[in-house]
Amino acid sequence: DAGITQSPRHKVTETGTPVTLRCHQTENHRYMYWYRQDPGHGLRLIHYSYGVKDTDKGEVSDGYSVSRSKTEDFLLTLESATSSQTSVYFCAISDGGGVQPQHFGDGTRLSIL
Amino acid sequence: GESVGLHLPTLSVQEGDNSIINCAYSNSASDYFIWYKQESGKGPQFIIDIRSNMDKRQGQRVTVLLNKTVKHLSLQIAATQPGDSAVYFCAENRGNRDDKIIFGKGTRLHILP
Repeated sequence: DAGITQSPRHKVTETGTPVTLRCHQTENHRYMYWYRQDPGHGLRLIHYSYGVKDTDKGEVSDGYSVSRSKTEDFLLTLESATSSQTSVYFCAISDGGGVQPQHFGDGTRLSIL
Repeated sequence: GESVGLHLPTLSVQEGDNSIINCAYSNSASDYFIWYKQESGKGPQFIIDIRSNMDKRQGQRVTVLLNKTVKHLSLQIAATQPGDSAVYFCAENRGNRDDKIIFGKGTRLHILP
């Protein structure tokens, strides 16, 4: 899938714990994105990156932070997980931002109890 | 499998018939549109895209039509096959070379034998 690896693929954790999800790409694409997908809401953008150390907020950024220290890795952190953050998280990459297709990883299913 | 897609509009099509999936958008400045296919347990997969300077674009067994007058986008799948069964999303870039795309809620395509 376009050289995108998300890890872990599944995680169960407890409310209040920190969680970090990793997205790794081998395509050398400039742009990387984190989405969450919930029934009835489709895909919603959390944060995205337009270069190393360059990030911006998306539609549902509260409670999440991101970091991009090198081109190939984009980390999503939930500092103190809440049950409302139970979701499926997708990473996407693009060579041209919003004017070229984004290509997606296979997702991380996160359950917060 | 994924719980994504609960309560989605569903289109049921006989195998071998053509499928037409529709999408409305509201922003007249949107200038780039993408269709994605999502199978259970996987990330969205790019199908075809179209820019606002075009009305129609064809791929392998798929055609995207763009009607800017009524802000309507459609995906036509010829000779629908069982493997076409999935949730289909349209997405749009809202212009000004925005780095982001916005996803619609999706339509589930169900293939009847």
